Amino acid sequence: AQKVTQAQTEISVVEKEDVTLDCVYETRDTTYYLFWYKQPPSGELVFLIRRNSFDEQNEISGRYSWNFQKSTSSFNFTITASQVVDSAVYFCALIAGGTSYGKLTFGQGTILTVHP
Amino acid sequence: DVKVTQSSRYLVKRTGEKVFLECVQDMDHENMFWYRQDPGLGLRLIYFSYDVKMKEKGDIPEGYSVSREKKERFSLILESASTNQTSMYLCASSSMPGQGSRETQYFGPGTRLLVL
Repeated sequence: AQKVTQAQTEISVVEKEDVTLDCVYETRDTTYYLFWYKQPPSGELVFLIRRNSFDEQNEISGRYSWNFQKSTSSFNFTITASQVVDSAVYFCALIAGGTSYGKLTFGQGTILTVHP
Repeated sequence: DVKVTQSSRYLVKRTGEKVFLECVQDMDHENMFWYRQDPGLGLRLIYFSYDVKMKEKGDIPEGYSVSREKKERFSLILESASTNQTSMYLCASSSMPGQGSRETQYFGPGTRLLVL
C-alpha cells in the first residue's frame, strides 16, 4: 500500500519569507510518480509539478523549487519570497507503478497562510 | 490547456433526493475520477473509470454510483442523498498510465454539495 505524509498541518509566514512544505512517501514500487497540487480558496486543485522515481534532479520554477530525495523518501516543496497569493492548501500525492489506472494517494494537505 | 468542468459549483439538496453531479473533460482522456474532500479526511476516491461504460470502485463507493456513457463525461449519482454526503466533490481526468507525463490528473473546480 502507498502512503503520503504531510506532517505540517498549518504553516503561517509573513510575506517575503521562505517556506518549505514537507512530504514523505511510502511505496514498495520502484516506479512511481510524485505530484504537488495547490488548492486556493476557490477550491480547484491546480497541478504544480510531477516527478518520476528515476529522476532525482531538483527542479526550480520561478519562486517554487522541489527537492526529491529517494534516500529519505521525501519530496519537499519550497516557496522563496512568499506572497499573499501563495496562501492555499498544498497537497503532495503519489501514483505507484503497480497501481492500476493511475490512482492517486494524497497526503492530508498543508494549509499555508502568508500574511502581508 | 486541459479543461475539466463540473456542472455546478454549489448545490443544495434535501435528504432522499437523487442527485447528479456531472463532469466533462475536453482532452480525450481515458481515465476519469470522482473524489470527495472533507476537513480532516483529505481527498478520498469514490469511483473511477478507465473507459466508456467501465467503472471501478474507489475507497468509499457506498451510497454512490457512476455513469460513463461517453468518453468525455463522467457522472456521479447519489441515489438517495443523506446529510453525511454533504461535502466537496472533485472530478479529475488523466491519460492512461505508463504514458509519461500524461499520468497527471487534472481537476475540475469542484462542487460543494449541501444535503439538508
